[in-house]
Amino acid sequence: DGGITQSPKYLFRKEGQNVTLSCEQNLNHDAMYWYRQDPGQGLRLIYYSQIVNDFQKGDIAEGYSVSREKKESFPLTVTSAQKNPTAFYLCASSIQDGYTFGSGTRLTVV
Amino acid sequence: GESVGLHLPTLSVQEGDNSIINCAYSNSASDYFIWYKQESGKGPQFIIDIRSNMDKRQGQRVTVLLNKTVKHLSLQIAATQPGDSAVYFCAETRSRQKLQFGAGTQVVVTP
Repeated sequence: DGGITQSPKYLFRKEGQNVTLSCEQNLNHDAMYWYRQDPGQGLRLIYYSQIVNDFQKGDIAEGYSVSREKKESFPLTVTSAQKNPTAFYLCASSIQDGYTFGSGTRLTVV
Repeated sequence: GESVGLHLPTLSVQEGDNSIINCAYSNSASDYFIWYKQESGKGPQFIIDIRSNMDKRQGQRVTVLLNKTVKHLSLQIAATQPGDSAVYFCAETRSRQKLQFGAGTQVVVTP
């Protein structure tokens, strides 16, 4: 089955540590996206990539970094510079007008 | 800074009634719009979409209306069921670029 896999589902991080969230898709989609969702709020765009080896900042990129070395993979690193990283993170991919979302990673800073 | 603790607008609907969820979008150049349903702890699920050259599109039990003049989108759900309880988001994009989401509406279906 084709789809997007995000791992892990739950992640705990100590303050001051970097952590990387995985996103893999086997849909052959060109574009991939990372969104952040806080309780009771909508999805805000962190970074997106339209093609391999290229990516752009979204609305809330500060404190995050990404790479797009392979078409299938778009990992997100939450750095220690992100002051409030506890949130639900969603990855998506798209081709033409079809967008597919992963099931999310819930990150908690302890 | 970030705002925390905001509460989504809530629409309470009696089972069997019709629901209307509204969304104001921001970019007059957006040419493609999508409605998503999100259940707690899950990713958004596609419901229905509409292009900017249309003003109405119907699916199974759902209808999307687009008013470009006032940048307004609505989702109508017919005969609302308990399984329709979720958060609903509209999203917009221009030329198949990044997808931007609205704030969302919590729909609560009561028996």
